[in-house]
Amino acid sequence: QKEVEQNSGPLSVPEGAIASLNCTYSDRGSQSFFWYRQYSGKSPELIMFIYSNGDKEDGRFTAQLNKASQYVSLLIRDSQPSDSATYLCAVKGWGGTASKLTFGTGTRLQVTL
Amino acid sequence: DTEVTQTPKHLVMGMTNKKSLKCEQHMGHRAMYWYKQKAKKPPELMFVYSYEKLSINESVPSRFSPECPNSSLLNLHLHALQPEDSALYLCASSQFREETQYFGPGTRLLVL
Repeated sequence: QKEVEQNSGPLSVPEGAIASLNCTYSDRGSQSFFWYRQYSGKSPELIMFIYSNGDKEDGRFTAQLNKASQYVSLLIRDSQPSDSATYLCAVKGWGGTASKLTFGTGTRLQVTL
Repeated sequence: DTEVTQTPKHLVMGMTNKKSLKCEQHMGHRAMYWYKQKAKKPPELMFVYSYEKLSINESVPSRFSPECPNSSLLNLHLHALQPEDSALYLCASSQFREETQYFGPGTRLLVL
């Protein structure tokens, strides 16, 4: 049974600070990793995806992947109140049923003024 | 453009009703998905279509019946639902099954 674990939060950070969201996964065969943002009552919106070890930056967002430690994180720089949402980590294998997305339970982020 | 559309936005139905949810994408994606999401829980996969063929059914009760009439459309037919089936139903699509999934806005379903 593949598992993806996230701290449910809420994670509270002041406006302008860096928010660090973490995710661990159990299946060493996992190949691709995704961060989705979900506002209350809305659908998940893709923020970042990462396939290779290391960092991937897109604007204020940086995804970090460490396959040896089975760990993926999302950093949000200069956090804004509009970043307040639940962030879902999702993990996918390769081929057959392994291509299914397995979601973590999400971390709720609150950016305070 | 990564738009997936879903209709209706909201649906209220009785336990004896038959209704359908519709999902559409015009991105040329060949994989489409149905998910169910309850409050404060992550999305749960229900069905996967790849090249218009059902490739994954996550042991979903037969009161949910998916249909993929063509590569752009995905339907979910609902019949004799239970109140516990009330949830946000999400459609997603991806270029291929291994690729990134993009979600539609969802249909909020209430079963009375």
